[in-house]
Amino acid sequence: GAGVSQSPSNKVTEKGKDVELRCDPISGHTALYWYRQSLGQGLEFLIYFQGNSAPDKSGLPSDRFSAERTGGSVSTLTIQRTQQEDSAVYLCASSLQPDTQYFGPGTRLTVL
Amino acid sequence: GESVGLHLPTLSVQEGDNSIINCAYSNSASDYFIWYKQESGKGPQFIIDIRSNMDKRQGQRVTVLLNKTVKHLSLQIAATQPGDSAVYFCAENMRPGRRALTFGSGTRLQVQP
Repeated sequence: GAGVSQSPSNKVTEKGKDVELRCDPISGHTALYWYRQSLGQGLEFLIYFQGNSAPDKSGLPSDRFSAERTGGSVSTLTIQRTQQEDSAVYLCASSLQPDTQYFGPGTRLTVL
Repeated sequence: GESVGLHLPTLSVQEGDNSIINCAYSNSASDYFIWYKQESGKGPQFIIDIRSNMDKRQGQRVTVLLNKTVKHLSLQIAATQPGDSAVYFCAENMRPGRRALTFGSGTRLQVQP
């Protein structure tokens, strides 16, 4: 595709449920990043993939958060036992060059 | 330490004027900086980036200035248009080789027609 795509665009879940968020990077981009953005705030780094491995997962806020990437392409961010403080927009980015990251539209997660 | 940027301020300009959006960064080890534009309900859109071995870089209608002495980054937008209205974020890598970006809280630009 022409850009980074994410699904779903919106997700409403109940506290305690698990959610999966999907990211399709720009074709050929080897690096993939997850960030989250709370209301009115800047972006907070979560995890970075180079190919299928994650050399930097320092931003994951707790062990309830995990992510994987398969085939050097699609990535899934999983949040287990969701809490209300997990409510945010989850943004995915990809890059070919080492630095310039291109973002998708995000998934808005609301935990009731 | 504190990351890039300020608590979200708002800059209001008239259409056709030049805009200057400022950003302070705290980590002198950062060697890569980038500006993004974010419209409501959308993901951040890349505008321009700069490495620490440069002090100025120009794009189409935009210029980024880097002052490493005072750890200051600015984005200049020439002939501001209503479509430029958005929140602008600066970001830095915090150290050479780090791929993750650390973002500031952003500046809202409002362009009055």
